[in-house]
Amino acid sequence: GAGVSQTPSNKVTEKGKYVELRCDPISGHTALYWYRQSLGQGPEFLIYFQGTGAADDSGLPNDRFFAVRPEGSVSTLKIQRTERGDSAVYLCASSLTSGRDGELFFGEGSRLTVL
Amino acid sequence: SQQGEEDPQALSIQEGENATMNCSYKTSINNLQWYRQNSGRGLVHLILIRSNEREKHSGRLRVTLDTSKKSSSLLITASRAADTASYFCASGGSNYKLTFGKGTLLTVNP
Repeated sequence: GAGVSQTPSNKVTEKGKYVELRCDPISGHTALYWYRQSLGQGPEFLIYFQGTGAADDSGLPNDRFFAVRPEGSVSTLKIQRTERGDSAVYLCASSLTSGRDGELFFGEGSRLTVL
Repeated sequence: SQQGEEDPQALSIQEGENATMNCSYKTSINNLQWYRQNSGRGLVHLILIRSNEREKHSGRLRVTLDTSKKSSSLLITASRAADTASYFCASGGSNYKLTFGKGTLLTVNP
């Protein structure tokens, strides 16, 4: 596709369950970001990939959160033992270079609700 | 954590008026970017200004950057109802990530 694709667009789960959120970036974009956005707030950085490797995972809130990008394209954000406080919109973005040098292209987000 | 702060948090104007939003950031930057977000949607890039630039224009958008004050402003001229959205500034530093502010909710009344 032409843009960043995120699935699912909505996910409702119960506390304690495991969740996977998928991001398909723009073809050829080597940089991939995950952000989390709570209601009324700006996006908060979670993790940045350059190629297959996580170049910066300093924004992951705790060890329940993990992300992979095994082939340098599609990325999956994994959340274990979900908590109600994990409810938010998870945004994925990709870039030809990185935020240091150019714009990010965002997907529509995956809205996660933990009951 | 969020580095930037937008001011005001909310702004309501009439169609045809100009809208000015301000942004402050904390650390040194390579660039400062502005994004727009319609309710329930993803963010869309509007304009990027580099740290060695002071002003930049794109259509009805004008961005200024004052690195000595660590601040930027976004001016939207001749606003339209379709400009109603949240606007975020984002600072790009040496660490490859963009750090976003909390945003300004702009409402343009027809």
